[in-house]
Amino acid sequence: SQQGEEDPQALSIQEGENATMNCSYKTSINNLQWYRQNSGRGLVHLILIRSNEREKHSGRLRVTLDTSKKSSSLLITASRAADTASYFCATDADSSYKLIFGSGTRLLVRP
Amino acid sequence: DSGVTQTPKHLITATGQRVTLRCSPRSGDLSVYWYQQSLDQGLQFLIQYYNGEERAKGNILERFSAQQFPDLHSELNLSSLELGDSALYFCASSVEVGWGGETQYFGPGTRLLVL
Repeated sequence: SQQGEEDPQALSIQEGENATMNCSYKTSINNLQWYRQNSGRGLVHLILIRSNEREKHSGRLRVTLDTSKKSSSLLITASRAADTASYFCATDADSSYKLIFGSGTRLLVRP
Repeated sequence: DSGVTQTPKHLITATGQRVTLRCSPRSGDLSVYWYQQSLDQGLQFLIQYYNGEERAKGNILERFSAQQFPDLHSELNLSSLELGDSALYFCASSVEVGWGGETQYFGPGTRLLVL
């Protein structure tokens, strides 16, 4: 079973707009990571936020983490057509080595 | 390019058969992870090896097995294949054991189709 659930399942926006994706998880975590997957390809690591961090930035990406609500959000600003992909959050459960992935958000950025 | 290589890229086989998927981690990475991605189950962790030893097991079927060799490459063996085993199989690697903040680098995947 998956730990994370992403919302929305699909998102369609115009190029230049911001895209916000949310992830909720069930158990306590050490860190939460976001990955991107272009259709049928491998996953690309975007950003990692530790459980003691609340916000992190990387280029046009902003990630927030609220451990009290067991949720995270990924904001992509000034979206581009090349941002079209599926976005997954992944968490590591307590003292576990594996990543548990959410169900993903499919983002479509229209030119 | 993540530096993780997987072969083959595509594999078509029949039910009941056995296949071997191969993964070479990034140079210097000691941990290798295997994941299965299917439409109905999403991305599922299968198994992890660290420096040749099994470290964690996930939803891996008894028909599946894996190993990591002294040169750190890994193989995932799938036997008695069923239609439901059709999926994308990803390998990932990381530097250390892989907890508390390890970024995992994913290979391009092997697409398995069981007919």
